Amino acid sequence: AQTVTQSQPEMSVQEAETVTLSCTYDTSESDYYLFWYKQPPSRQMILVIRQEAYKQQNATENRFSVNFQKAAKSFSLKISDSQLGDAAMYFCAYKGQGGSEKLVFGKGTKLTVNP
Amino acid sequence: DVKVTQSSRYLVKRTGEKVFLECVQDMDHENMFWYRQDPGLGLRLIYFSYDVKMKEKGDIPEGYSVSREKKERFSLILESASTNQTSMYLCASRAPDRNSPLHFGNGTRLTVT
Repeated sequence: AQTVTQSQPEMSVQEAETVTLSCTYDTSESDYYLFWYKQPPSRQMILVIRQEAYKQQNATENRFSVNFQKAAKSFSLKISDSQLGDAAMYFCAYKGQGGSEKLVFGKGTKLTVNP
Repeated sequence: DVKVTQSSRYLVKRTGEKVFLECVQDMDHENMFWYRQDPGLGLRLIYFSYDVKMKEKGDIPEGYSVSREKKERFSLILESASTNQTSMYLCASRAPDRNSPLHFGNGTRLTVT
């Protein structure tokens, strides 16, 4: 079964600086999808960024980018120019290309942004 | 924008009660999910449904059941609530495309006393 590991339960960053959140996963599949979700204190989980494993180019969404290392099964999230509104729980998630519809989530990283 | 609405943000129930958590989505999505979120454990899938009247067990289905009589509505049922079911419950929906993201509701914080 696939597993997703986020090794950093908590991280902090100064406003305007850059922070990287780690995620590793375990799978025997060759094609799959990876996601980062953000859950602010208001609680609604929203998608930050997604990556398709067959694409070599790292996904980027404004200040958010990923470092996808397929061989190492690593999918880290980089947040540049951190803002107070980036403070949230961040979850890494994996979805296989096969028949299963479910996403497998990591345990989350709580990000604090210091003014 | 996709809207996923959970009927209650906070719910307090007694042990042994039957509890219904309701979720409605407005984007005609085939796939709907119920997750449970606990500190230090992340999100764990309870049940999901890929069509009306279709359901599949997730990773932790024990003590729960679901109902999907209409495409837009997916209900989670706790037949006899127990204190270890005190948790945050998140509903989500997704379009059929395999790389489509989940769209989440605001969550229901359930306390069983």
